Amino acid sequence: DAGVIQSPRHEVTEMGQEVTLRCKPISGHNSLFWYRQTMMRGLELLIYFNNNVPIDDSGMPEDRFSAKMPNASFSTLKIQPSEPRDSAVYFCASSSRTSGRREQYFGPGTRLTVT
Amino acid sequence: DQQVKQNSPSLSVQEGRISILNCDYTNSMFDYFLWYKKYPAEGPTFLISISSIKDKNEDGRFTVFLNKSAKHLSLHIVPSQPGDSAVYFCAATDSGNTGKLIFGQGTTLQVKP
Repeated sequence: DAGVIQSPRHEVTEMGQEVTLRCKPISGHNSLFWYRQTMMRGLELLIYFNNNVPIDDSGMPEDRFSAKMPNASFSTLKIQPSEPRDSAVYFCASSSRTSGRREQYFGPGTRLTVT
Repeated sequence: DQQVKQNSPSLSVQEGRISILNCDYTNSMFDYFLWYKKYPAEGPTFLISISSIKDKNEDGRFTVFLNKSAKHLSLHIVPSQPGDSAVYFCAATDSGNTGKLIFGQGTTLQVKP
């Protein structure tokens, strides 16, 4: 079984550029979560989707951040324009609410560096 | 307002001994708790969970204990192995939301050979 797939694994960009992170959840999972991990704030939830619909985006730090889930097998997190303080590791996770289980399964993460 | 707290940033134990990682929570609505392990450059990996209707759940070398009155849970690893060296996160959720997990800050465990 393939786990959660994220791309790219590493992204280095200059301030002001647009950044798009991609995620493919585990097949059959109907919930998808985007997290950001920093030394200062730890692992924080940015946004999550149930059945492709955004449920709670209260963790999205600013309007520069947006996320989409056009279908059950793909999601993007976009930062435009990017700033140095956006440098972090971004994780995508998925889970199957219909199974009654509550575990989330994480991808390997995208390490973003904004210079 | 940290609803889930791991007050020990790090822990060091000798191989073969017991590792005990602690976690406290403040929200009495939480009814399901999870532990994740994270190696460098990898995503967190689910380890073990416990429902609030239980006070103990065991899986091999890993046991999670839940004390609801104290709003405290702990993860015991016996015996500890060098490969257990990682960052451990506890997380909590309640049945009223749609699967949102609240994570602690993590504890770095080092198991010395």
